Amino acid sequence: EVQLVESGGGLVQPGGSLRLSCAASGFTFTNYSMKWVRQAPGKGLEWLSYISSSSRTIYYADSVKGRFTISRDNAKNSLYLQMNSLRAEDTAVYYCARDSLYWGQGTLVTVSS
Amino acid sequence: DVVMTQSPLSLPVTLGQPASISCRSSQSLVHSDGNTYLNWFQQRPGQSPRRLIYKVSNRDAGVPDRFSGSGSGTEFTLKISRVEAEDVGVYYCMQGTLWPYTFGQGTKLEIK
Repeated sequence: EVQLVESGGGLVQPGGSLRLSCAASGFTFTNYSMKWVRQAPGKGLEWLSYISSSSRTIYYADSVKGRFTISRDNAKNSLYLQMNSLRAEDTAVYYCARDSLYWGQGTLVTVSS
Repeated sequence: DVVMTQSPLSLPVTLGQPASISCRSSQSLVHSDGNTYLNWFQQRPGQSPRRLIYKVSNRDAGVPDRFSGSGSGTEFTLKISRVEAEDVGVYYCMQGTLWPYTFGQGTKLEIK
């Protein structure tokens, strides 16, 4: 069974940093590209970042380019999102996703003073 | 970026009646590989999104056959043949043809 479990969310002050993790299991992680998606409270869904299976290809949405960094550790079956210079508008539930079929349960990031 | 526009944004439906959601993209979603990467998602309250339909008209495993997708190019439709109580939630179309992938605004389906 495919499982994606996000962690690392929490309360952080504006300008602060946070690192999200996504632990993958139930499939051959090295074979799949992975993505991060977020959803602000009461709002719609927004694709944030894409990383290919080899990490050779990476994309970011303009809203996070230069502030967020996606990475993966295929040996640990893990996906990461380093988030710097956080803003109030980054407050959201952050999901990791494989393809667009499998999603984690999400981790809440709240940016507030 | 490709803009995805859904209508209606609110959809009250009587149990057992059909429902239809329209999704329009600002440019063609036909990929250079010939596929059209238009997906439909359901998000029930408090849950993660669940993919229902991929590449316009293919139902994912476990999705009831009352859900169907159709369309081409820039115009797409999700239909529910007979709405059930468990269908309440927000429905999103999403294009995966061009990065950044983009979602529609969402259509909130409720029981009348």
